[in-house]
Amino acid sequence: GAVVSQHPSRVICKSGTSVKIECRSLDFQATTMFWYRQFPKQSLMLMATSNEGSKATYEQGVEKDKFLINHASLTLSTLTVTSAHPEDSSFYICSAGSQNSYEQYFGPGTRLTVT
Amino acid sequence: AQSVTQPDIHITVSEGASLELRCNYSYGATPYLFWYVQSPGQGLQLLLKYFSGDTLVQGIKGFEAEFKRSQSSFNLRKPSVHWSDAAEYFCAVGPSGGYNKLIFGAGTRLAVHP
Repeated sequence: GAVVSQHPSRVICKSGTSVKIECRSLDFQATTMFWYRQFPKQSLMLMATSNEGSKATYEQGVEKDKFLINHASLTLSTLTVTSAHPEDSSFYICSAGSQNSYEQYFGPGTRLTVT
Repeated sequence: AQSVTQPDIHITVSEGASLELRCNYSYGATPYLFWYVQSPGQGLQLLLKYFSGDTLVQGIKGFEAEFKRSQSSFNLRKPSVHWSDAAEYFCAVGPSGGYNKLIFGAGTRLAVHP
């Protein structure tokens, strides 16, 4: 199957700072990338969908100015958590898909801790 | 509205026993169905998928699932569970809306007793 990587795998930042998470599709062109948030022992919550070269589509209740998503190329999407607060601490997972398939390939996730 | 229900939040089985994880969906058309597995602190790995054709789908790690349209179900089965199967299992249905979004169930946590 296709490989998706995320970097970093873990990050700790201070409250008020911003942190960027990268999601890369290593062996295919990802026309669409999805960003999820997962709280402990809960399911994945879709935050936004991004298509290469266009603005991301955010799910209801997700602050687009706080969670900045960029999908500048077919292999890279970034999620920037701006002015992070402790309540933003969570597990963030990206997935990538191509226009020829309904499958999504998931990255290994990034554990964000805001102190 | 489209939705996925996994009725069992937590299941415990003995190693070597058979396993069935339930998944029911609500979807207006023919769905694409997926089962993913997540180990602690990890991303999701695709176990199997159903798009069309044979309703009994074989996946990796000895798992299979059966699509039953009349019951709106896509239950995951394994004849003999291994201790390494302990993980969180998610059922998903799609596409939802544009861009092939998936709708996930709440997940079932599987514990395996030796």
